Amino acid sequence: GQNIDQPTEMTATEGAIVQINCTYQTSGFNGLFWYQQHAGEAPTFLSYNVLDGLEEKGRFSSFLSRSKGYSYLLLKELQMKDSASYLCAVRSAANQAGTALIFGKGTTLSVSS
Amino acid sequence: DTGVSQDPRHKITKRGQNVTFRCDPISEHNRLYWYRQTLGQGPEFLTYFQNEAQLEKSRLLSDRFSAERPKGSFSTLEIQRTEQGDSAMYLCASSPFNTEAFFGQGTRLTVV
Repeated sequence: GQNIDQPTEMTATEGAIVQINCTYQTSGFNGLFWYQQHAGEAPTFLSYNVLDGLEEKGRFSSFLSRSKGYSYLLLKELQMKDSASYLCAVRSAANQAGTALIFGKGTTLSVSS
Repeated sequence: DTGVSQDPRHKITKRGQNVTFRCDPISEHNRLYWYRQTLGQGPEFLTYFQNEAQLEKSRLLSDRFSAERPKGSFSTLEIQRTEQGDSAMYLCASSPFNTEAFFGQGTRLTVV
């Protein structure tokens, strides 16, 4: 089976740093993705990790440890517009055709002034 | 190219009716995915196409649901004999390879 866990809600203040954790158990692994979703909108891609380590992209960074089945998304210099749901998604073992992304339930981040 | 396009954006239907949604992926993307999302939940995988071939289908998918991608371009998702539990946002996404998927704005279905 496949299981992806992330906290349901988090709160933070403007200018702060927040870390959103994600743990996963999947039948094989072929990449972990983070998406941002504002209320009523479609998910938008933030980051992708397939090898262990940290990927940095502006104010956003994502870390992966495949041996631990663990990832986190780090958001720096928080802004009010970062209030959104953050979705962790895993692509399980790729066959010749590839497989779809399986999503966690999302973490709702609320940023206050 | 303006991205993944879905039609209609909203659909209200009576219980028991059939509905069909359309998705036009980004033109060079050969992979197309359908997801369903309810309030407070992440997208739930429904089915996946590579070109015109339907390669994966969630075991949670009722046989009232069927999807097609006849020419490997646009796709349709049909729900027969709709039930109130089918009320959700139906999201379509596409990708060129095993990389990130790009989502459309979704079709919000309300079954009354």
